Amino acid sequence: EVQLVESGGGLVQPGGSLRLSCAASGLPVSGNYMSWVRQAPGKGLEWVSIIFRSGSTYYADSVKGRFTISRDNSKNTVYLQMNTLRVDDTAVYYCASSGDYYFEYWGQGTLVTVSS
Amino acid sequence: SYVLTQPPSMSLDPGETARIPCAGNNIGSKSVHWYQQKPGQAPVLVIFYDSDRPSGIPERFSGSNSGVTATLTINRVEAGDEADYYCQVWDSGTNQNVFGSGTKVTVL
Repeated sequence: EVQLVESGGGLVQPGGSLRLSCAASGLPVSGNYMSWVRQAPGKGLEWVSIIFRSGSTYYADSVKGRFTISRDNSKNTVYLQMNTLRVDDTAVYYCASSGDYYFEYWGQGTLVTVSS
Repeated sequence: SYVLTQPPSMSLDPGETARIPCAGNNIGSKSVHWYQQKPGQAPVLVIFYDSDRPSGIPERFSGSNSGVTATLTINRVEAGDEADYYCQVWDSGTNQNVFGSGTKVTVL
């Protein structure tokens, strides 16, 4: 059974940093497409970032230059380093994965609140 | 950037057929995936590659994609189908995933 468990969310001030983790079981993060998707309160889904099997990474325009996705194959975990956080980054952040360009598996999400 | 447009909402009676459109420039040339999200829950994949169904998804759910519109069809809607539905594509031109704005389906 595949499980994705996010952690690291919380309250942070504007301009601050946070690192989210996504611990995977039942699938190797190195062999799958791993993404972060977020959802602001009462809003729709917004894709944030992806890391491919090859290690290539891509980002939404709204986070490019501020967020960094990475993975630790030995821990089977994917990370999202979020810097220079803004109020509009407030959202539930989901980890999602698949062997292809869609999202077959999802975590339960972790809430990030950016507020002074 | 690539944009996917969905109607904000639709309401149906039980037993009716829901047809949820997802419009995008030449979307027929892309692969479209669909997700169902119920309140307080993570999204669930219901259709991938335009019309394939993951295991466990009822046959009442189907998809099509041609021209400028992809469509998720739910036959014989039930109260349990009440949810938000999102379409998604990978835009190879920008190397970005794109979600539609979402459609809230209400079963009266």
